[in-house]
Amino acid sequence: DTGVSQDPRHKITKRGQNVTFRCDPISEHNRLYWYRQTLGQGPEFLTYFQNEAQLEKSRLLSDRFSAERPKGSFSTLEIQRTEQGDSAMYLCASSPGTEAFFGQGTRLTVV
Amino acid sequence: QKEVEQNSGPLSVPEGAIASLNCTYSDRVSQSFFWYRQYSGKSPELIMSIYSNGDKEDGRFTAQLNKASQYVSLLIRDSQPSDSATYLCAAFAGAGKSTFGDGTTLTVKP
Repeated sequence: DTGVSQDPRHKITKRGQNVTFRCDPISEHNRLYWYRQTLGQGPEFLTYFQNEAQLEKSRLLSDRFSAERPKGSFSTLEIQRTEQGDSAMYLCASSPGTEAFFGQGTRLTVV
Repeated sequence: QKEVEQNSGPLSVPEGAIASLNCTYSDRVSQSFFWYRQYSGKSPELIMSIYSNGDKEDGRFTAQLNKASQYVSLLIRDSQPSDSATYLCAAFAGAGKSTFGDGTTLTVKP
């Protein structure tokens, strides 16, 4: 399967712990996005990479969130000192241009 | 005001009918638009993209864009129970960012 892959699919963590998610985009796609989605809402933009450069970051993203895309390949999203409000589906998407294709998502539950 | 607005629904149609889903956008977003289908508990799946005024057809799906009215729609002909899902409208908003509406939930009743 050459689609977008995300790992893990599910993560349960205690409040205050750090978590890291991984996204492997479609290999020929140079654009990579992270979104967060809560129940009943559309995906909310978090950040955008073109190759290894992080070109856009949502103002909604607090300092506890950081994302990297070393060498323009896979990407990681880290959340430090998790809070219950961080519970959501974290979606990664990749794109060769404007159309974005999503991975399966990582569902985070903070208890 | 959200940059992309959708009727929250739910929308219910009988099997075989035409389902019409609507989306409006502000002039702050770009002019490329996308429809995604999302089944419960799954991630969004791209089903249509449209970039210019008019209609674009792909099988049972037709996307319509009217830039003057800042309006984009998705028509699903011969609706099937398997079309029951949440449909998300998205706009390419520049700087690589797509802005999504909150979706319209469609139920197709057999």
